[in-house]
Amino acid sequence: QVQLQESGPGLVKPSQTLSLTCTVSGGSISSNSFYWSWIRQLPGKGLEWIGYIYHSGSTFYNPSLKSRVSISVDTSRNQFSLRLSSVTAADTAVYYCARDFNDGYSYGFAEWGQGTLVTVSS
Amino acid sequence: DIQMTQSPSSLSASVGDRVTITCRASQTISRYLNWYQQRPGEAPKRLIYRASSLQSGVPSRFSGSGSGTDFTLTISSLQPEDFATYYCQQSYTVLYTFGQGTKLEIK
Repeated sequence: QVQLQESGPGLVKPSQTLSLTCTVSGGSISSNSFYWSWIRQLPGKGLEWIGYIYHSGSTFYNPSLKSRVSISVDTSRNQFSLRLSSVTAADTAVYYCARDFNDGYSYGFAEWGQGTLVTVSS
Repeated sequence: DIQMTQSPSSLSASVGDRVTITCRASQTISRYLNWYQQRPGEAPKRLIYRASSLQSGVPSRFSGSGSGTDFTLTISSLQPEDFATYYCQQSYTVLYTFGQGTKLEIK
C-alpha cells in the first residue's frame, strides 16, 4: 500500500518561498503511469490542483499558479517537492500530495498524504 | 478551464435516507469524472472513478452514474459515517478541476 507524507515549514513569511516535500513509501516513485501531484485546500474552501510531475521530470502546472510554482522529483529518495514563490496570505492552505494512475486519462487521486497546513504570515 | 458545478452545496438528511448529489461540467468530459469524500480534518478519499467504478473497499451503497456533462453520486441508505463533504473532479483535461463541494449534514 503506497503511503505519502508531506513535510515542511508550517509558517512562511509573505514574499518568501514555500517549500514542501512529499515522501513516498510502500512503492516506487518511478513506477510507470503514476503521476505525482500537489493539491491545496484554502481554509474552509474547496480543492485546487497545483500541478504534477512524472518520474522522468516532466511537469504540468495550473496556469493560475504557473509563474510561481516549481515541482521537482528525487527518485533516489523517493520524494517529490513543491516550491511556491512570492507567497501571500492568499496562499495559506492545507497542502496535499497525491498520486494518480494515468493511461492516457487520469483515474483520479487514489492515494493522498494527510495534508500539511501552511500559514503565510509575518 | 473546465468548471465543475455541484448541487446542492449543502444537504440535510437522515440515517437511512437515499441521497443524490449532482455534478455538472462546463463542457463534455466523457466519463472522466471522479468522486471524493472528505471528513473534517482528513484528506479526501476517492469513492468513484471514471464516473461509475467503485473504489475498492468503498461500501456498495455508493454509486455513480452519468456521462458527457451531467453526473450523479448516489448513497442508497445513509449511514452515520457518511456525513461529510463530497467533491467531484474531472480528469478529462490535465488541468484537473474540482467541484465546490456538497456538505452532507445530519437532519
